[in-house]
Formats: sequence, structure tokens, C-alpha cells
Amino acid sequence: GQNIDQPTEMTATEGAIVQINCTYQTSGFNGLFWYQQHAGEAPTFLSYNVLDGLEEKGRFSSFLSRSKGYSYLLLKELQMKDSASYLCAVMDSNYQLIWGAGTKLIIKP
Amino acid sequence: GAVVSQHPSWVICKSGTSVKIECRSLDFQATTMFWYRQFPKQSLMLMATSNEGSKATYEQGVEKDKFLINHASLTLSTLTVTSAHPEDSSFYICSARGEGFSYEQYFGPGTRLTVT
Repeated sequence: GQNIDQPTEMTATEGAIVQINCTYQTSGFNGLFWYQQHAGEAPTFLSYNVLDGLEEKGRFSSFLSRSKGYSYLLLKELQMKDSASYLCAVMDSNYQLIWGAGTKLIIKP
Repeated sequence: GAVVSQHPSWVICKSGTSVKIECRSLDFQATTMFWYRQFPKQSLMLMATSNEGSKATYEQGVEKDKFLINHASLTLSTLTVTSAHPEDSSFYICSARGEGFSYEQYFGPGTRLTVT
């Protein structure tokens, strides 16, 4: 079966760095997405990785290793507004998105 | 660019009635639209995928006669929850994907449905 694993909840301090991991097992791979979702709102796109390596976009970076079925989202210089759920999703061979359950990130002052 | 709107943003209806939710791509042509449901503190659950001009493909366990999806144009898809029950109360989110994008899905703001 298809499976996406990510931690349920993480806590970090304002100004610090946090890494949210995601491991996956899917039938085929056409890219991995990270989305941010604030409570009561729809997800917003953060990043897309289809090749191995690190993609940097401002305070956020995303890494992919296809051979390991592994990705992480790195958030630097954490701000209180970064408190949200972070969703990892993999596009399978049918171009269908398989969603992880999301990681709730709590930022403390 | 790539804005998706949903209407209404929230709705309260009585048990047994039907509710229609609209999803529009405002500045691009959405060849494919997706409908998701999200219960509190849970992840997104894909309900169905619709391509313009064809019947929607429903995920296992989703009743197609209860959740009617119409994708009549490249900018509009509708989800109708028929004979709604309190257990249908949820956050319904649509997303759209157009040709030429890197398979990214653009999400609407969601519709919160409460059935009393």
C-alpha cells in the first residue's frame, strides 16, 4: 500500500530552526510537495521537489532523497506565524497526490 | 496568479437538505479539479477527482450519489451534498490543476459545512 509518515507534532522556539521529516512508500513517484495549513484555512503551497537535493526558498528549504524515500522541510528563523500544520504529499505514478497526516508545529516564544 | 475561489465559505443547513459548493479557478483553466474533506485535526481526504466534461472519479468509500460533482467548464466545478446529515459536517476544500503547471494543485479557501 501507499504510505506517508511524518511526526504528529513538534515544538520549537521562536528564532530557532526546525526540521520536519517525511518518509514515503508509494507506487511510483512524480514529485513531493510540502504545504502549510493554518487552522481553519486551506493549505498553501510551500515547495515541490522531484530531483534529489535541497531546494531553498527564503526561510524555508526542502530536501529530497528518492533512493531513501525521504524528504524534510527545514524552517529557519522561526516566527510565531509559522505555527501551523505542515503537510507532506507525494504524487504517485497516476499523478495522484498521496497525503501525509500532517505535522502540527508549535512555536513558543 | 493561479487563484481558486470557493463559495460559500461557510454554510449551515438542516438535516435532509442539499447544499451546493462552487469552486472556481479565477485566472487559469483548470483541466482537473479535486474535492477534499477534512475533519478536525485530521489530514486531507480526497473525495473525488473531476476532469472537465467527464464524470468524476470517486475515491473508495465516497458515495457518488450523495456527493454529486459537476465539472461543466474549465473554470467551475460544483459539489452538491445531497440529503445532508450531521456526520457530513466538515471542511470541504477544492483544488485545481491546469496544464503547464508542475502538477501543483492550487487550493480554494475551503467551505465549512455544519449540518444541524
